[in-house]
Amino acid sequence: AQSVTQLGSHVSVSEGALVLLRCNYSSSVPPYLFWYVQYPNQGLQLLLKYTTGATLVKGINGFEAEFKKSETSFHLTKPSAHMSDAAEYFCAVSDPTGKLIFGQGTTLQVKP
Amino acid sequence: NAGVTQTPKFQVLKTGQSMTLQCAQDMNHNSMYWYRQDPGMGLRLIYYSASEGTTDKGEVPNGYNVSRLNKREFSLRLESAAPSQTSVYFCASRGGTENTEAFFGQGTRLTVV
Repeated sequence: AQSVTQLGSHVSVSEGALVLLRCNYSSSVPPYLFWYVQYPNQGLQLLLKYTTGATLVKGINGFEAEFKKSETSFHLTKPSAHMSDAAEYFCAVSDPTGKLIFGQGTTLQVKP
Repeated sequence: NAGVTQTPKFQVLKTGQSMTLQCAQDMNHNSMYWYRQDPGMGLRLIYYSASEGTTDKGEVPNGYNVSRLNKREFSLRLESAAPSQTSVYFCASRGGTENTEAFFGQGTRLTVV
């Protein structure tokens, strides 16, 4: 069965610093992978997704993620954090039966 | 363009009461989902519907029932609410293929006392 593990429930960075949020997946078939962001008291919105093709995927708000099959990873990065990036971030994998399975989430804190 | 609409936004129930959470989407999506979100647990799938007329259990289905009323609507019912069902519930929909993104409602915050 597909699953995702997000390493680190809380990540704190200074404004302007690199953001790195880690996601590892388990899948018996080539995976479809997603990163979502949730701002306080809101639903989730898509940041980016990997389906096939280019392994470096660019998303909204300057975020990108690299699919590494050898490491079963799909880490999310942003070169320079902004205060508005403070939110909860979720990695997800799509199951061939139609399920969308989420990780535990990582809360990003951005310090001035 | 409303997207995914959930009602109600907030609800307080007493233990043992029943209620139905409503969800509707206007994007002509085949698949719909119900998740619950609890601190430190991420989003856990309760039930999903891959297409109109079909429903399947997710990770945490106990204590819940669902109805895919038509292509637009997917409701979640708590027959006898328990404090352990205090959570934020999200409905989502997507086009139906594995590589498509899901669109989420704004959530229902449910408290069972």
